[in-house]
Amino acid sequence: KNEVEQSPQNLTAQEGEFITINCSYSVGISALHWLQQHPGGGIVSLFMLSSGKKKHGRLIATINIQEKHSSLHITASHPRDSAVYICAVSPNFGNEKLTFGTGTRLTIIP
Amino acid sequence: ETGVTQSPTHLIKTRGQQVTLRCSSQSGHNTVSWYQQALGQGPQFIFQYYREEENGRGNFPPRFSGLQFPNYSSELNVNALELDDSALYLCASSLMTGSETQYFGPGTRLLVL
Repeated sequence: KNEVEQSPQNLTAQEGEFITINCSYSVGISALHWLQQHPGGGIVSLFMLSSGKKKHGRLIATINIQEKHSSLHITASHPRDSAVYICAVSPNFGNEKLTFGTGTRLTIIP
Repeated sequence: ETGVTQSPTHLIKTRGQQVTLRCSSQSGHNTVSWYQQALGQGPQFIFQYYREEENGRGNFPPRFSGLQFPNYSSELNVNALELDDSALYLCASSLMTGSETQYFGPGTRLLVL
């Protein structure tokens, strides 16, 4: 069993739909990261969370430390949101020694 | 634009050869991490360098080694290449080890035949 599990693996939705991607982890962490990877490999850091919730534009990330679970939400989804979304956890408050999930491939249809 | 560059973009090697991949960090960043991403998988942490010293290592054998230079650019060296080393190799730089955000390069795609 992977230490970081994401669901669903693939998600296709219509433009405008509310999107939720889930991440569960089985190890102790100090920080959880959400990243976005576009075709060709480019990765962008979206959020780092250690508790609660963060919002940036149409993206919202939440974490429940007790349940070892995080969610990434996208409101008013748009075709440009199509990408692979990856959850990663770190034992330290920062970005070292990240353990990654396998990603959720999101496709938004116009 | 992230400012992190990697070279080469693509590389083909044969089993047993050695390879050096290069990463130029974003200006002012003293921390660089290297990751291996096999096709269809999430990245795996190889190691991190902070101010020219190794600052953590993932579950990779010693034939994966690295260097960080005084200008904070970095190299990943892989000796005795194996077929399973075929992957996208990503580097990411950050202002410091405790930074929230890493800036990723575009990656080097390595194929081992």
